[in-house]
Amino acid sequence: EAEVAQSPRYKITEKSQAVAFWCDPISGHATLYWYRQILGQGPELLVQFQDESVVDDSQLPKDRFSAERLKGVDSTLKIQPAELGDSAMYLCASSPNGVAGETQYFGPGTRLLVL
Amino acid sequence: SQQGEEDPQALSIQEGENATMNCSYKTSINNLQWYRQNSGRGLVHLILIRSNEREKHSGRLRVTLDTSKKSSSLLITASRAADTASYFCATEAGGSEKLVFGKGTKLTVNP
Repeated sequence: EAEVAQSPRYKITEKSQAVAFWCDPISGHATLYWYRQILGQGPELLVQFQDESVVDDSQLPKDRFSAERLKGVDSTLKIQPAELGDSAMYLCASSPNGVAGETQYFGPGTRLLVL
Repeated sequence: SQQGEEDPQALSIQEGENATMNCSYKTSINNLQWYRQNSGRGLVHLILIRSNEREKHSGRLRVTLDTSKKSSSLLITASRAADTASYFCATEAGGSEKLVFGKGTKLTVNP
């Protein structure tokens, strides 16, 4: 069964350093999502792509976070510089078309610890 | 911001018992979905219920939706140790395909 791939699974970094996370969605899925999940909370959407275009980045802290999906397939989320409050699980999800009522398929996540 | 609020925050039961989790939300919705998350893993979609539906079943899962009370419940019957996980409701509001998740209920099923 096709799955969403993410790497790395775990990342420890010091504050002020740069970090990057990678996501490969299910083949053929046009819509890709990045979520942040703080421990004990539900996921919160950071950015949504439709193919290579950003359709929602209203909750992305743009002073330090950036995301790209250059060829409309895999995607990278970057944080520079990392802050202590960025420690969280970063989840990537994909869906076929991004329309209402569609199931989102999640990857295993990248757990980030900022020291 | 989180739209849904699950209740209880944590639930511990014995294998074979039923588990009921509730979700309340604030604004009108197109649909409501329930997801499961095993510890340290990604989320898995369980079931979707549309705003014009009142009840839906899938295997041992039963979901109800009361739009007048802006609430939903997830019932897991004959629970198993493998059901131990966190369960999240997620709402999709009118005019948006964006999912807004609640804080989740942590379910522990003891063997």
